[in-house]
This record gives sequence, structure tokens and C-alpha cells, in this order.
Amino acid sequence: AQTVTQSQPEMSVQEAETVTLSCTYDTSESDYYLFWYKQPPSRQMILVIRQEAYKQQNATENRFSVNFQKAAKSFSLKISDSQLGDAAMYFCAYRRNQAGTALIFGKGTTLSVSS
Amino acid sequence: EPEVTQTPSHQVTQMGQEVILRCVPISNHLYFYWYRQILGQKVEFLVSFYNNEISEKSEIFDDQFSVERPDGSNFTLKIRSTKLEDSAMYFCASSDPRDPIGYEQYFGPGTRLTVT
Repeated sequence: AQTVTQSQPEMSVQEAETVTLSCTYDTSESDYYLFWYKQPPSRQMILVIRQEAYKQQNATENRFSVNFQKAAKSFSLKISDSQLGDAAMYFCAYRRNQAGTALIFGKGTTLSVSS
Repeated sequence: EPEVTQTPSHQVTQMGQEVILRCVPISNHLYFYWYRQILGQKVEFLVSFYNNEISEKSEIFDDQFSVERPDGSNFTLKIRSTKLEDSAMYFCASSDPRDPIGYEQYFGPGTRLTVT
């Protein structure tokens, strides 16, 4: 069975600084996607970034980038130039690349941002 | 931009009562999902639904739960006899199997279920 592990329950960063959230996963599949979701206090699930396992190039979305190490089954999220609005719970998630399959989430990392 | 909607935003029910949570998926999507998140914990998959059938379900999705597409727009989750441990945020999601970027699932805002 696939599992997703986030070993950092809480992280903190100062405004304008950079922070990295860690995620590891376990799967025997070769074709899959990895995601980072942001959940603010409203509890809406917001997709931050996705990475396809077949792509070697790390995904980037503005201030958010990932470090995808397929062999190590590691998928970390880097947030650059942190802003107060980045404060939220961040979930790492895995899904096989097949329609209708479940997203498997990690336990989440609570990120606080201070001014 | 199309979005998944869910009603109600908050439902309070008594233990043992039946509850129906409603979702309107994005109109051209064909896969529908329910997830739940107990407060402070991770998001857990319950079930996926396609072509009027369950396509995948988790161990959590036991006989107390059922899903239905009663018409062309709604997708519902029924809990037959609620327990205190069913208190959670329930998220609906939908996806398009023709999506060229990997069947991305779009989440609704969630329904907070409180069982007293």
C-alpha cells in the first residue's frame, strides 16, 4: 500500500525568508503524481503544486518549488519570500496516474509565518 | 471558473440520525469523490464514483455509508446512523477522465458535520 509521511508537524518562518517542508512516500508504482495542498483556517483544500513522476524537472509555481528525488522517494516543498498569507497547514499527497483513484495524504505540516 | 459546491456548510445532527451531505461537482466531470478530515488530522479517502458505480472505496467506507448520483448535477453521501466519531469535515471532489494533466481532483469547500 502507498503511504505518505510528513515528519515535521510544525514549521515556522519569518516573512521574506525561505522554508522547506519535507515529504517522503512509498509506492511500487512507476506512474504517479505528487501534490502539495494548502489548507488555510477556512479548511478549503487549495492545490499549490503538482509533480508528475515521469518528469525529471522539478515543478515550479511562482514562489513555490519542489525538490523531487524519485529514487529516494522524497518530495519537498520550498516556499521562497514567505508571506503572512502562506501560514496554513500543508499536505503532501500521492495519487496513481489513473482516473478515479484516491489521493493519499500525509498528516500535514502547520506552517506559521511571523513578521 | 467552474467550482465544486457543497451544502450545507455546517450540519449538526444527533447520534443515530441519518444525514445526507450534498455536492454539485463541476458540470463536465465524470469522477466524483468523498474525503473526510477529522479535526486536526489528515484527509482520508472514502470513495470514488463513476458511471453510477463505486469505482474505489476505503476501509472507512463501510455499510453505514452510501453514495448516490440522484440526478444529473448532484452527488450525495449518506451516513445511515451517525456516530460521534463521524464528526469531521467532509470534502467532495470531482475530476475529468479526459484531463490531459492527470485527472486532477477539484475540491469543494467542505461540509462540517458535528454529531452530538
